Amino acid sequence: IQMTQSPSSLSASVGDRVTITCRASRGINNNLGWYQQKPGKAPKRLIYTASSLQSGVPSRFSGSGSGTEFTLTISSLQPEDFATYYCLQHHNYPWTFGQGTKVEIK
Amino acid sequence: EVQMVESGGGLVQPGGSLRLSCAASGFALNDYWMHWVRQAPGKGLVWVSRLDSDGRSTNYADSVKGRFTISRDNAKNTLYLQMNSLRVEDTAVYYCVRGLWGIESWGQGTLVTVSS
Repeated sequence: IQMTQSPSSLSASVGDRVTITCRASRGINNNLGWYQQKPGKAPKRLIYTASSLQSGVPSRFSGSGSGTEFTLTISSLQPEDFATYYCLQHHNYPWTFGQGTKVEIK
Repeated sequence: EVQMVESGGGLVQPGGSLRLSCAASGFALNDYWMHWVRQAPGKGLVWVSRLDSDGRSTNYADSVKGRFTISRDNAKNTLYLQMNSLRVEDTAVYYCVRGLWGIESWGQGTLVTVSS
């Protein structure tokens, strides 16, 4: 299953609403997670089963979608949110990640 | 506290071998599905391999199939990745991760560099 993530990068300001999309090459139900990675660090999970917020993750992060189209939304971008974001499908092996979206400061 | 600490990375020549270890604490490896994920310098994340909780079922990415072997030692609570016939394109940070429905937890990673 191929995961197409867009955009590959974006520039935004603190307080902006940001949306990142992942499209699966075939249906994966809700077997998708979103991950945040900061430079030199391991990723951490933000969202699981497409729309469930990981414990301890701020509520400004949300996920939606099912089947082939998925969205990660940051409702009000904060300074600590500048990072690279990845989606991961775990519907079938091999598990596959999106190419990543780098969120930069405008 | 759940913790996974990888070790065993380093510099190896093309065609060589390396064994990565992942020492787990705060949980028993044989209660969870475990995986290896890698990230080449400046690139994205790539899933590499998986071992189920029974320790019997495995999966591999096509790029490593036949060259890499995932295994574990329950007594040491340690996960391994035996990497043979290494190629330059295997150069990456290798993460030990835990999860059945996606990845719940990540180790800090260990760098493998394949170069002559």
